[in-house]
Amino acid sequence: AQSVTQLDSQVPVFEEAPVELRCNYSSSVSVYLFWYVQYPNQGLQLLLKYLSGSTLVKGINGFEAEFNKSQTSFHLRKPSVHISDTAEYFCAVSARGAQKLVFGQGTRLTINP
Amino acid sequence: DGGITQSPKYLFRKEGQNVTLSCEQNLNHDAMYWYRQDPGQGLRLIYYSQIVNDFQKGDIAEGYSVSREKKESFPLTVTSAQKNPTAFYLCASSIERGYTFGSGTRLTVV
Repeated sequence: AQSVTQLDSQVPVFEEAPVELRCNYSSSVSVYLFWYVQYPNQGLQLLLKYLSGSTLVKGINGFEAEFNKSQTSFHLRKPSVHISDTAEYFCAVSARGAQKLVFGQGTRLTINP
Repeated sequence: DGGITQSPKYLFRKEGQNVTLSCEQNLNHDAMYWYRQDPGQGLRLIYYSQIVNDFQKGDIAEGYSVSREKKESFPLTVTSAQKNPTAFYLCASSIERGYTFGSGTRLTVV
């Protein structure tokens, strides 16, 4: 079975500051990794995903994430945040050979002016 | 445009009543999923279906039922056996490793 831990439930940052949202996973088999963003009362929008290849993945809205197999981590980063990045962010994993996504608890990112 | 439609957006139910949440997709995806979202708990899988007329329980299936009679549709019934049904429910579909989510239904038990 797979599990995902998002290490911070809330992250407050100032506008134009860098941010890192942390995600660790546990799995006995190889996995695919995802980051999603959710705005209030809406569905999930894909930011980026790691399927194979380069461990540094670039996504939409200036976000990127790095897959670290030895540390079983997939942290999300953005060098300079904007007020519009205020949202909840979810890390998710699916095992190779399975289709269902397993989600972390979510990190609420709050951008202060 | 292809996508997933969940209806209604808001739903109120009296205790002891069953209620069905609709999920329709026109993406031609084989797999469909239902997730429940509660504050601070992320998304938890209720049921999923990889093909028509077949579905599997997820992590929190008790008190819920589903059907998959058509590829496009995967309705979720919240039964009176579900002890705490007030939550935000998200439907999703996928093909290979591309997942699409609906905009959700917020169910409140009154």
